[in-house]
Amino acid sequence: TQLLEQSPQFLSIQEGENLTVYCNSSSVFSSLQWYRQEPGEGPVLLVTVVTGGEVKKLKRLTFQFGDARKDSSLHITAAQPGDTGLYLCAGANYKLSFGAGTTVTVRA
Amino acid sequence: NAGVTQTPKFQVLKTGQSMTLQCAQDMNHEYMSWYRQDPGMGLRLIHYSVGAGITDQGEVPNGYNVSRSTTEDFPLRLLSAAPSQTSVYFCASSRKGDRNSPLHFGNGTRLTVT
Repeated sequence: TQLLEQSPQFLSIQEGENLTVYCNSSSVFSSLQWYRQEPGEGPVLLVTVVTGGEVKKLKRLTFQFGDARKDSSLHITAAQPGDTGLYLCAGANYKLSFGAGTTVTVRA
Repeated sequence: NAGVTQTPKFQVLKTGQSMTLQCAQDMNHEYMSWYRQDPGMGLRLIHYSVGAGITDQGEVPNGYNVSRSTTEDFPLRLLSAAPSQTSVYFCASSRKGDRNSPLHFGNGTRLTVT
């Protein structure tokens, strides 16, 4: 059983559409990290959220940490083919735990 | 700046063979770790090290050994490969040893055990 559940598992959308990826848990985390992984490469950190209710923006990507620090979401506005990849969340409490990831495909 | 370098990129082993996956980082990071990535399972921690001469087990350590003789290098040894060890292996490092520090990953080693 995963400590962090990510949904959906797969997401395929057309260029220009919006999408949201969710990362949920029953555990409280001191921080939550989001990574993006492209085929044949390792995950690369996108952002770290630390405070409950925190919202961080990275160009067209918006990350939110839940008020209770148990969940997080990633919203992409006007998705582009370059956003294609595996999005992983990782929560930190006594250890760092990874979700299984959401595979996002943006079709041109 | 090379970051985290893993070799080899691909490897095929027969059951019972042994091998070492290499990992080196040039960022002077104290913390290094090994993960395996399997479909639907996410990244699972195998072993980690908070500094030279110090190693500890993660959540799936069985069948693997590590050592940390220098700050830069953190090899992972498979003692007697099994088909269940077919996976993609990632080495990661961070500046601090605390769980909130972001990880820098290598590009992985894809291992197949037949």
